[in-house]
Amino acid sequence: DVKVTQSSRYLVKRTGEKVFLECVQDMDHENMFWYRQDPGLGLRLIYFSYDVKMKEKGDIPEGYSVSREKKERFSLILESASTNQTSMYLCASSVPMGVAYEQYFGPGTRLTVT
Amino acid sequence: GDSVTQMEGPVTLSEEAFLTINCTYTATGYPSLFWYVQYPGEGLQLLLKATKADDKGSNKGFEATYRKETTSFHLEKGSVQVSDSAVYFCALSNTGNQFYFGTGTSLTVIP
Repeated sequence: DVKVTQSSRYLVKRTGEKVFLECVQDMDHENMFWYRQDPGLGLRLIYFSYDVKMKEKGDIPEGYSVSREKKERFSLILESASTNQTSMYLCASSVPMGVAYEQYFGPGTRLTVT
Repeated sequence: GDSVTQMEGPVTLSEEAFLTINCTYTATGYPSLFWYVQYPGEGLQLLLKATKADDKGSNKGFEATYRKETTSFHLEKGSVQVSDSAVYFCALSNTGNQFYFGTGTSLTVIP
């Protein structure tokens, strides 16, 4: 089974702190994603990566950066956390399935910024 | 661009009731369609999928049929259980490795 793990299930940080969210997948997938999930808004794509050291902005990249130094690990960085970044963060990896892809998700990190 | 629209919730049903959650999509070409489920406090899990028109995905008593003529992928279950209480997301994947999710439908099943 594909396994996607995230470093923390719950995290509380103060405004202005630098925050690292880590994601690891064990199936050698090339593509990895970071989403945030907010009530009524569904999932919004922050960044994705299709290879080591490669990254692409998603729909809401402002205030975030990412790092992918190894294929299995994709990190989301909040350079200076703000209260409007309080959210559920979901990491996913994907595998080709014909012309489309299938995504596998981690358990999520619920981040609270105070 | 591609998009997914699913019925808004929340939906509340009694145990053993019939469930339908509507999902329609807009996409070019021939996308793959998915239903994901999110149990309280957890990430999304793939529930079922369909990769071409008229395919029926099924899992754990849930079914959805890929209808190209109506651009729909409605989720159904004949008899829901309390343990089915969760948020359900419809999604599509097209060429280019982008995923598009609906906003989610919260289901609560009461005994």
